[in-house]
Amino acid sequence: AQSVTQLGSHVSVSEGALVLLRCNYSSSVPPYLFWYVQYPNQGLQLLLKYTSAATLVKGINGFEAEFKKSETSFHLTKPSAHMSDAAEYFCALTYSGAGSYQLTFGKGTKLSVIP
Amino acid sequence: NAGVTQTPKFRILKIGQSMTLQCAQDMNHNYMYWYRQDPGMGLKLIYYSVGAGITDKGEVPNGYNVSRSTTEDFPLRLELAAPSQTSVYFCASRSRGQPNQPQHFGDGTRLSIL
Repeated sequence: AQSVTQLGSHVSVSEGALVLLRCNYSSSVPPYLFWYVQYPNQGLQLLLKYTSAATLVKGINGFEAEFKKSETSFHLTKPSAHMSDAAEYFCALTYSGAGSYQLTFGKGTKLSVIP
Repeated sequence: NAGVTQTPKFRILKIGQSMTLQCAQDMNHNYMYWYRQDPGMGLKLIYYSVGAGITDKGEVPNGYNVSRSTTEDFPLRLELAAPSQTSVYFCASRSRGQPNQPQHFGDGTRLSIL
């Protein structure tokens, strides 16, 4: 079975500091990984996705993630946090053969940015 | 382009009542999904559909039903509302193609059952 683990349900950083949100996965087949962001009272928006073409993936709003197969990780980073980054972030996984490519989500990490 | 539209945005139900959560997409996507989101639990798949007339259960289908008579619409029905169904419900859709095609989400329906 596939699973996604996000370490830390709540992360606080100072404005301008590095953002690091951790995601580890378990999958018996090659995974397709995504990061989504959810602002209060809104739906999920795609930040970035891993496509196997490159291990370092750049997304919107200055975020990027690196796929490390040996560590089964897909951590999300941003060099300098902005107040507008405060939101909840979800790592998700699918794979070929997952029926209709339904996503398995982590439990989410809520990011707070301190001025 | 509206994307995925969910109605209503908020609703309060009494135990035992029934209701239908509406979901419509205008992107001609074949695949559609219903998730529920509970605090600290991420999103759990309730039902999904790969096209008109085809639906299947997800991880947490009990207490819910769906239908897919058109490509655009994928309503979710609660027949006998229970307090455990208090949650935020999200509808999503995606196109055919590679597994890395992203899902597009609506803004959610916040449902309270009292």
